[in-house]
Amino acid sequence: NAGVMQNPRHLVRRRGQEARLRCSPMKGHSHVYWYRQLPEEGLKFMVYLQKENIIDESGMPKERFSAEFPKEGPSILRIQQVVRGDSAAYFCASSLGGDHDEQYFGPGTRLTVT
Amino acid sequence: AQSVAQPEDQVNVAEGNPLTVKCTYSVSGNPYLFWYVQYPNRGLQFLLKYITGDNLVKGSYGFEAEFNKSQTSFHLKKPSALVSDSALYFCSENRDDKIIFGKGTRLHILP
Repeated sequence: NAGVMQNPRHLVRRRGQEARLRCSPMKGHSHVYWYRQLPEEGLKFMVYLQKENIIDESGMPKERFSAEFPKEGPSILRIQQVVRGDSAAYFCASSLGGDHDEQYFGPGTRLTVT
Repeated sequence: AQSVAQPEDQVNVAEGNPLTVKCTYSVSGNPYLFWYVQYPNRGLQFLLKYITGDNLVKGSYGFEAEFNKSQTSFHLKKPSALVSDSALYFCSENRDDKIIFGKGTRLHILP
């Protein structure tokens, strides 16, 4: 059973470009979470999705950021018009569902905005 | 309000000594509590969780944690530390579809 897959592992974008980060959850998992981590800092929750639904997006910036988890295919975190402050590691996690289930994390995508 | 506190940014322990990484939560009732570990340039890995039942929970790599309702704590412990335990440790709480992570504690095991 493959773990959580994220691609690309490293992404370099110039200011103003768009960044698309992909996450394929573990087989059988229908709950996906996105987090952002800055160097030497903790994990900041961004968004929680189930198939075709956004459950909690309270951690998402109001502008430029969006996320989806379609019926088919991976979850996508999209950042439009990137700025230098968007440079960070973005982690995706998946779970079977429910508050009592642990999350399984992908290896992360390291976004660098130049 | 729901929150998770890890009061120590860093913990240093000599190899072979017992280690404790502290975590407290502030939600009343019965929370679901988790510990994760993060090695450099990797995603987080699940260590253990408390859902209900026995207050002492055993997890991966010889780690255990004790749920203490009166002190609202869920400290991570290991009887004998290894150098390979050096990593970043996160406590988290799940409740009503809300997931809160602590800011993390960096554990250094000194050879």
